[in-house]
Amino acid sequence: DAMVIQNPRYQVTQFGKPVTLSCSQTLNHNVMYWYQQKSSQAPKLLFHYYDKDFNNEADTPDNFQSRRPNTSFCFLDIRSPGLGDAAMYLCATSFLGDYGYTFGSGTRLTVV
Amino acid sequence: SQQGEEDPQALSIQEGENATMNCSYKTSINNLQWYRQNSGRGLVHLILIRSNEREKHSGRLRVTLDTSKKSSSLLITASRAADTASYFCATDNQAGTALIFGKGTTLSVSS
Repeated sequence: DAMVIQNPRYQVTQFGKPVTLSCSQTLNHNVMYWYQQKSSQAPKLLFHYYDKDFNNEADTPDNFQSRRPNTSFCFLDIRSPGLGDAAMYLCATSFLGDYGYTFGSGTRLTVV
Repeated sequence: SQQGEEDPQALSIQEGENATMNCSYKTSINNLQWYRQNSGRGLVHLILIRSNEREKHSGRLRVTLDTSKKSSSLLITASRAADTASYFCATDNQAGTALIFGKGTTLSVSS
């Protein structure tokens, strides 16, 4: 089945140690999104790629970076994780326009 | 910045009852979408309603949109325990390139 896959499901990292979360899709969607969701809060958009065009939200910390080497894969890099970065990170894909998003199951990041 | 606000924040009902959740938003939209999130999981797309539509149905779901009041409602009829989840409305950002989610309504359906 076509889907969005996030790895790993759970990630524990040390304070200040760089970490990379991955997302892959088999839907051939041209847009990929990264959201951060903290406990009992709304998913917050970090950035998105329309094809290779990167779009960063104004309030996304510089500590967060992203790469999209091809249509199928997108990575979220956190250069120096702080305790406040502990959250669920959600990857989503869609076609541009009036389309629903397909989400992965998320990666829950713990910072120790 | 947050666009949608759901109301109520939490809702508890019995199986078989109907559940209604409301969403208000601030600026003009192209479409409004509703998503469900089971605890600790990703979001699942439920329904999309375009700005020129007033009502849409999908199975036990009914969504209405009132652009003059900048509000939408999601009705789940004949609720089941499996409907227990958080429900989010989402509208497009000012550039129309990404969805902004509201805080969500947590629905608990007891048997």
